[in-house]
Amino acid sequence: GAGVSQSPRYKVAKRGQDVALRCDPISGHVSLFWYQQALGQGPEFLTYFQNEAQLDKSGLPSDRFFAERPEGSVSTLKIQRTQQEDSAVYLCASSLSHRGGGALGTQYFGPGTRLTVL
Amino acid sequence: AQSVAQPEDQVNVAEGNPLTVKCTYSVSGNPYLFWYVQYPNRGLQFLLKYITGDNLVKGSYGFEAEFNKSQTSFHLKKPSALVSDSALYFCAVRDLISGNTPLVFGKGTRLSVIA
Repeated sequence: GAGVSQSPRYKVAKRGQDVALRCDPISGHVSLFWYQQALGQGPEFLTYFQNEAQLDKSGLPSDRFFAERPEGSVSTLKIQRTQQEDSAVYLCASSLSHRGGGALGTQYFGPGTRLTVL
Repeated sequence: AQSVAQPEDQVNVAEGNPLTVKCTYSVSGNPYLFWYVQYPNRGLQFLLKYITGDNLVKGSYGFEAEFNKSQTSFHLKKPSALVSDSALYFCAVRDLISGNTPLVFGKGTRLSVIA
């Protein structure tokens, strides 16, 4: 079946522009996560949804970052007034369940969106 | 707080030789451990995970990992490396007790398999 998809794959923005990054999770997956991966680093957690509810947004670096998942499927990560430090790969992951144990908790990742802010 | 350490930025190994990519972790409760692989311009691909049970976990592409509770380690291994295994490898942990759902990743180890 289809995996997690993300669009666009690449985005170049001028400093100050707003951007929107889209994530289509695996069909039926309850949980959806956004991570930010800076160059040469591991992914870092941004925010988490269970269905349409945003249960954890503790990783969002500033109030310029906003995420939504209005119908419990597709999610959008929006960054307002982009800054150069926002340049990174933004990864989306989904899992069948939020619960820790078993296969349900395994997160499957999309290819990411590489954002470059000039 | 949870943390993961991958002490080696780069591991070089000759094709056909065994490989080990090291990972140590810190959690307050019981760990839920993962290995992911990342190829250029692609997302993270799941390799294997440990929850409970046998300390030796087998995963995709012939990889395996050994959970060692006393050493808080979860090293990734493969008996015979292939050139196609060259990629960036990430170890990650979740703390089951706290119910904290996000993964905490290490910085990654770049594996280079030389023909």
